Amino acid sequence: DTEVTQTPKHLVMGMTNKKSLKCEQHMGHRAMYWYKQKAKKPPELMFVYSYEKLSINESVPSRFSPECPNSSLLNLHLHALQPEDSALYLCASSKTTGRETQYFGPGTRLLVL
Amino acid sequence: KQEVTQIPAALSVPEGENLVLNCSFTDSAIYNLQWFRQDPGKGLTSLLLIQSSQREQTSGRLNASLDKSSGRSTLYIAASQPGDSATYLCAVRPDGGTSYGKLTFGQGTILTVHP
Repeated sequence: DTEVTQTPKHLVMGMTNKKSLKCEQHMGHRAMYWYKQKAKKPPELMFVYSYEKLSINESVPSRFSPECPNSSLLNLHLHALQPEDSALYLCASSKTTGRETQYFGPGTRLLVL
Repeated sequence: KQEVTQIPAALSVPEGENLVLNCSFTDSAIYNLQWFRQDPGKGLTSLLLIQSSQREQTSGRLNASLDKSSGRSTLYIAASQPGDSATYLCAVRPDGGTSYGKLTFGQGTILTVHP
């Protein structure tokens, strides 16, 4: 099973709302990632977790707050977002240090009004 | 800073043609290179992963080559089909340092295969 699941598939939120994106994998992978992808652009890395610890934060604004409660689950908490944060948010995982194949989920399409 | 360029930006071909997608990168200190496919509004599907020590990888009708010293990779698709229509992305992973988990993506090639 090489599946990464993400919920919800679509999310519409106002600028004052608090919401969370969820990502799950059951492949025993110990590296997990959040990417942001704007239309017609490649994915941009936001965060990397390695063994449930945050190892890379690509200078992401604090209105995005990642959390890795266990080795299978990755959350992205959203608060006070801006319309320009509207994008496809992709989660990925890989076996260990991130040098192996990254497997991507289907993404959450986020619209901030 | 690593920069990845993909040429062409878009490609439209009739079904059955063999085609080549190009990817170039500015810093040859890479650990590996990965080719992905993305359908509109969907996630990325990994196609091939080439380690820096390898010259090529094959999977079905796909063949990817890597010339690390010249900073180039190509993805060859044989006997293209309409179902191959998608955006193809290449991404490189740095060799060493604290950013080993970071993929740098190209802008992608939008492929359309028409019947």
